[in-house]
Parts: sequence; structure tokens; C-alpha cells
Amino acid sequence: AQKVTQAQTEISVVEKEDVTLDCVYETRDTTYYLFWYKQPPSGELVFLIRRNSFDEQNEISGRYSWNFQKSTSSFNFTITASQVVDSAIYFCALSAPGSNDYKLSFGAGTTVTVRA
Amino acid sequence: DAGITQSPRYKITETGRQVTLMCHQTWSHSYMFWYRQDLGHGLRLIYYSAAADITDKGEVPDGYVVSRSKTENFPLTLESATRSQTSVYFCASSLLRGDTEAFFGQGTRLTVV
Repeated sequence: AQKVTQAQTEISVVEKEDVTLDCVYETRDTTYYLFWYKQPPSGELVFLIRRNSFDEQNEISGRYSWNFQKSTSSFNFTITASQVVDSAIYFCALSAPGSNDYKLSFGAGTTVTVRA
Repeated sequence: DAGITQSPRYKITETGRQVTLMCHQTWSHSYMFWYRQDLGHGLRLIYYSAAADITDKGEVPDGYVVSRSKTENFPLTLESATRSQTSVYFCASSLLRGDTEAFFGQGTRLTVV
């Protein structure tokens, strides 16, 4: 079975602060894919990043960065110098073969509120 | 319009009624999915489809029926709506199985009274 845990339910920060969202996953498969999605107040789900299990390089995209560590089964997401527009629910997700046949499993989400 | 669209966006129905939520995608993606979003649970997979006429259950399939006679459409039917099915429903599609990103529709907010 596969599982994604986002232990932080809500995070509130003041604009320009950095915020890190934790994501811990469980899977028995050696090949798997990790994703982050953003859900702004308008409700749509926006894809942010995909990472496969063989690529442990960290990635930076503008103010967003991701830290993938297989040793701790974590795929954390950091927003640097947060802005009000970053206020959203952020979901971490896992896709793996095996019994779950590559179906996306989502964490419960972390609600980020950035105050001006 | 290109992309993935859901209809209706909002729906209120009564307990016991049958309701169908529509999903249409224009990319010819093989894979399509239905999720429900509830507070504290994130998104949970209801059903998915690997191709036309191929569907399979997800994590929470009870009370739902799907069909996929055409690649571009993947309707979700609540056979006899219950209050516990009040939720936001998302349809998604992806080109390949699970290892590529899924693209989501705008969601349907369903209220069962």
C-alpha cells in the first residue's frame, strides 16, 4: 500500500517569510513518482512539479524549491519570500506501480495563508 | 474549448436522487480519473479509466458508477445520492499511466440535502 502524509494542516506566515511544507511518503516500490499540486482559493488544481524516484536532485523554480530525500522518504516544498498569491492548499501526491497500479495518492493537504 | 471541463459546476440534489456529473477532455488522454475532495482527506480516488470501455475502482467507489464509451468523456453517476456524498468532485486526465502529471477540471461542488 502507498501513503502520503502531510502532517501540517495549516501554516500562516507574514509576507516575505519562507515557508516549508513537509511531505512524507510510503511505498514498497523502487520506481515511483512524486508530485506537488497547488489549489488556490479559486478551486482549481494546478500541477507544480513531478519527480521520479531515481532523480534525487533538488529543484528550484523561481521562489519554489523542492528537497527530495529517499533516505527519509520525504519530498518537501519550500516557498521563499512568500507572497499573498501563494495562499493556497498544497497537495503532495505519490504514484507507484504494484498494487496501486500508478494511481495517484494524495496527502490531506496543507493550507498556507500568507498575510500582507 | 481545449482542456478538461466538468459540468455542472454546482449542483444541489435531494437524497435518493440519481445524479450524473460530466467530464470532457480534448487532449485524447488515455487515462481519466474521478476524485472527491473532503476536508481532512485530501483527494480520494473514486474510479479511474485506462481507456475507453476500461474502468476500475479506486479507493472510495461505493455508491458511484462510471462509464467510458468514448475516450473524451468520463461521466460519474451517483445512483442514489446520500448526504455523505456531499463533496467537491474533480475529474482529471493524464496522457500516460501515473508517471505523468494529471490535469484537473474545475471541480463540481455537489450538495445532497
